[in-house]
Amino acid sequence: QKEVEQNSGPLSVPEGAIASLNCTYSDRVSQSFFWYRQYSGKSPELIMSIYSNGDKEDGRFTAQLNKASQYVSLLIRDSQPSDSATYLCAVKDDYKLSFGAGTTVTVRA
Amino acid sequence: DGGITQSPKYLFRKEGQNVTLSCEQNLNHDAMYWYRQDPGQGLRLIYYSQIVNDFQKGDIAEGYSVSREKKESFPLTVTSAQKNPTAFYLCASSTGNRVHQPQHFGDGTRLSIL
Repeated sequence: QKEVEQNSGPLSVPEGAIASLNCTYSDRVSQSFFWYRQYSGKSPELIMSIYSNGDKEDGRFTAQLNKASQYVSLLIRDSQPSDSATYLCAVKDDYKLSFGAGTTVTVRA
Repeated sequence: DGGITQSPKYLFRKEGQNVTLSCEQNLNHDAMYWYRQDPGQGLRLIYYSQIVNDFQKGDIAEGYSVSREKKESFPLTVTSAQKNPTAFYLCASSTGNRVHQPQHFGDGTRLSIL
C-alpha cells in the first residue's frame, strides 16, 4: 500500500499567521496531489489540487509540489478561525487516492 | 443541485446483521468509491467501480460487498463478517479514471454497533 505521511499536529497558530502543513509520499510514480479540508463530523472538501512541480496559489491557499523530494505542502496565509479543521493530503495514481492521517489545525483568535 | 447523496446519516447494526448504505450521484460521474474513516485516521479504500457492472476490491474489502447496476448508484453492504464495523463511511465519485480528476465526497454515514 502506498504511504502518505503528514506532520502529526495538532498545529496551533494565531489568527492572521501562516499555517504550514507538510506531506510526503512513498510512490515515485504518483501524478496528482490534493488537499482536502475536513471539519469535525463532516466529510472532506477539496480545497487544492496540484500536478506540476512548483507553487499553485488559490486565494489564501498555496500548494507546493516537489516530485524529486516526494513532498507536497499547503500554506494557509492570514489564518482565520474558520480554517480550524483537519487537512488531509491525498496522492493519486491512476484511479486510486491514498490519504494521509491528516493534520489538525487550530487557529487561535 | 448536482451532488452525491448518502443515506442514512446514522445507522445501527445488531450482531449478525447485514446493513446496506446507499450512495447516489447525479453528477454523471463514471467512477464511484467507498471509503472507511476511523477516528484520527485517514480514509481507507473499501471498493471502487469505474464502470457499470464492474467493481474492484480496495485495501480493506473483507466483510463488505457492493454492486453497480446503475451509473448513479453504488450501494455498500456491511456484512456480519465485518467484526469491527463502527466507522464513518464515505462515498465519493469522479469523472472516470483520468489521473488529474479529483474525487468529491458525499456527507457520509456513521455506522455503530448496537
